[in-house]
Amino acid sequence: AQSVAQPEDQVNVAEGNPLTVKCTYSVSGNPYLFWYVQYPNRGLQFLLKYITGDNLVKGSYGFEAEFNKSQTSFHLKKPSALVSDSALYFCAARGGGGFKTIFGAGTRLFVKA
Amino acid sequence: EAGVVQSPRYKIIEKKQPVAFWCNPISGHNTLYWYLQNLGQGPELLIRYENEEAVDDSQLPKDRFSAERLKGVDSTLKIQPAELGDSAVYLCASSTGASHPDTQYFGPGTRLTVL
Repeated sequence: AQSVAQPEDQVNVAEGNPLTVKCTYSVSGNPYLFWYVQYPNRGLQFLLKYITGDNLVKGSYGFEAEFNKSQTSFHLKKPSALVSDSALYFCAARGGGGFKTIFGAGTRLFVKA
Repeated sequence: EAGVVQSPRYKIIEKKQPVAFWCNPISGHNTLYWYLQNLGQGPELLIRYENEEAVDDSQLPKDRFSAERLKGVDSTLKIQPAELGDSAVYLCASSTGASHPDTQYFGPGTRLTVL
């Protein structure tokens, strides 16, 4: 069965420090991987996606994610966190050739001033 | 560019009552999705439309849930009758369908509370 795991329910980081939100996946074929962010009472907003090519993907608001095929991971990173980055982050995956996107349970990021 | 529009934003009903949610996708987006998001969980696909055709409704509980996208633009998701366990956020998303994989753009959702 296809699945996406976000092992941390919550990540706490101080403003200005680097942040990492972890994600591992299990899908058939070559994976397509996504990160979304959700603010309170808002829908999910697209941050970035990996299709093929360079393992480091750059996205919106200074976020980037690193694809690691051997570890089946797609961790979200940002060099310097902002208080405004505090939100709920979802990793998602789709198996190559498939159309169904599987979402992780989400990781809540708290950035403290 | 206007985003995905959903209404109502909030709905409170008694159990066994019917309820309907409406979604208007981004203009030109051929693919439309309805997702269910339970508290503390990620979205789960209920149904996917390519234009007016439902191409994946395997996760839709067809005994009480129905959906339609008659003209291939806006869509309605209905629950009849609602149960306590249906309390959740119902998200609509759309994508162009022009590339694979295409990016899904989400609406703000409808938060349903069944009493």
